[in-house]
Amino acid sequence: QKEVEQDPGPLSVPEGAIVSLNCTYSNSAFQYFMWYRQYSRKGPELLMYTYSSGNKEDGRFTAQVDKSSKYISLFIRDSQPSDSATYLCAMSADSGYSTLTFGKGTMLLVSP
Amino acid sequence: NAGVTQTPKFQVLKTGQSMTLQCAQDMNHNSMYWYRQDPGMGLRLIYYSASEGTTDKGEVPNGYNVSRLNKREFSLRLESAAPSQTSVYFCASSENLAPRPNTEAFFGQGTRLTVV
Repeated sequence: QKEVEQDPGPLSVPEGAIVSLNCTYSNSAFQYFMWYRQYSRKGPELLMYTYSSGNKEDGRFTAQVDKSSKYISLFIRDSQPSDSATYLCAMSADSGYSTLTFGKGTMLLVSP
Repeated sequence: NAGVTQTPKFQVLKTGQSMTLQCAQDMNHNSMYWYRQDPGMGLRLIYYSASEGTTDKGEVPNGYNVSRLNKREFSLRLESAAPSQTSVYFCASSENLAPRPNTEAFFGQGTRLTVV
């Protein structure tokens, strides 16, 4: 079993839909959880950052962490065509960046 | 403000050739990183430099060397390229060694390398 599992998609939704993106993980020591957005042929950019369990909201984006289930989610409300990208989850057990583990990414397509 | 700049953007190498990927950041960041990204795979850390003068191995360092030339520049060298090194390479930088809270890593645009 890989440390971080993420469905590659593609996930296709109509504009305005609520999108749910998810990752599961096996390492119970993970404490830092991140979501990156990567547009085609671009570098990843950090969207959301969460430490330990709980929810975090930023505009149309909400990140949830459920450490008891080893499950993290990113919700996008009122999705826009400009949200079409690949979303990568990432997590780490401590503050050392060398331990950061990325999921494979989920491709999201939002149609007008 | 250019952020993180990588050169070249594209490169084709023959097996056994060597090359150096260049990375420079203009944000006065202390930490810099090299990742590779392969189809169907996540980002994998090759090497990182927590601060000027230090470098450390990441998850997949074999076949690569790095140099932290100064605070701005961090290069990645392939001494004898192999087809397995065909990938997209990303350089990133952060103010401090991520992922501490509020320490965001900024990525470059990537270098697409093909080894034939």
